[in-house]
Amino acid sequence: DSGVTQTPKHLITATGQRVTLRCSPRSGDLSVYWYQQSLDQGLQFLIQYYNGEERAKGNILERFSAQQFPDLHSELNLSSLELGDSALYFCASSVARDRVSTGELFFGEGSRLTVL
Amino acid sequence: AQSVAQPEDQVNVAEGNPLTVKCTYSVSGNPYLFWYVQYPNRGLQFLLKYITGDNLVKGSYGFEAEFNKSQTSFHLKKPSALVSDSALYFCAVRVSILTGGGNKLTFGTGTQLKVEL
Repeated sequence: DSGVTQTPKHLITATGQRVTLRCSPRSGDLSVYWYQQSLDQGLQFLIQYYNGEERAKGNILERFSAQQFPDLHSELNLSSLELGDSALYFCASSVARDRVSTGELFFGEGSRLTVL
Repeated sequence: AQSVAQPEDQVNVAEGNPLTVKCTYSVSGNPYLFWYVQYPNRGLQFLLKYITGDNLVKGSYGFEAEFNKSQTSFHLKKPSALVSDSALYFCAVRVSILTGGGNKLTFGTGTQLKVEL
């Protein structure tokens, strides 16, 4: 158990809909990362937050957004869903209590999104 | 841009034999390199990392990796493979916040390891 909790584990929805994925990082971790894993794209970095502020942005679509709340949990919002958004979405956290960290990321079990 | 490459989609090995999963990297500056393993329908689990120091890094479950700066490689190895080692293995490089990367990890495409009896 990595200590990172993601909900829901599975989600089935229709095209055009909006969903919210939730992540609770390990206790004390200030950084949260979101990744998308699909068969054709592999593991793609979406976005990172550090202590409530956006730190880095990757291949995140404009239809997607995220935020990190004062209690450090994070939510990834996916809207106007398309078939191609079906994927496994991972959240990870790291021991980044300062701006520079050489530590590893700890991953949650993921949220599997199926868009029909 | 900083990246890692895993040239093999799949590696097959017999149980008890040594295994190697290959990874090469491309970074500006000193690399921070990682190996992760993913079992079916599970999240990624950290195996080991290279930050600095000894070129041979030991990690979880008997795995080790050798950092080779001249060949820009970070191959994952295990002296004696087990059937339970069958999984998807990812190499990753950390992008330094000093280059605006925010400390995120950039992953390779993954190598499926299959260990057979």
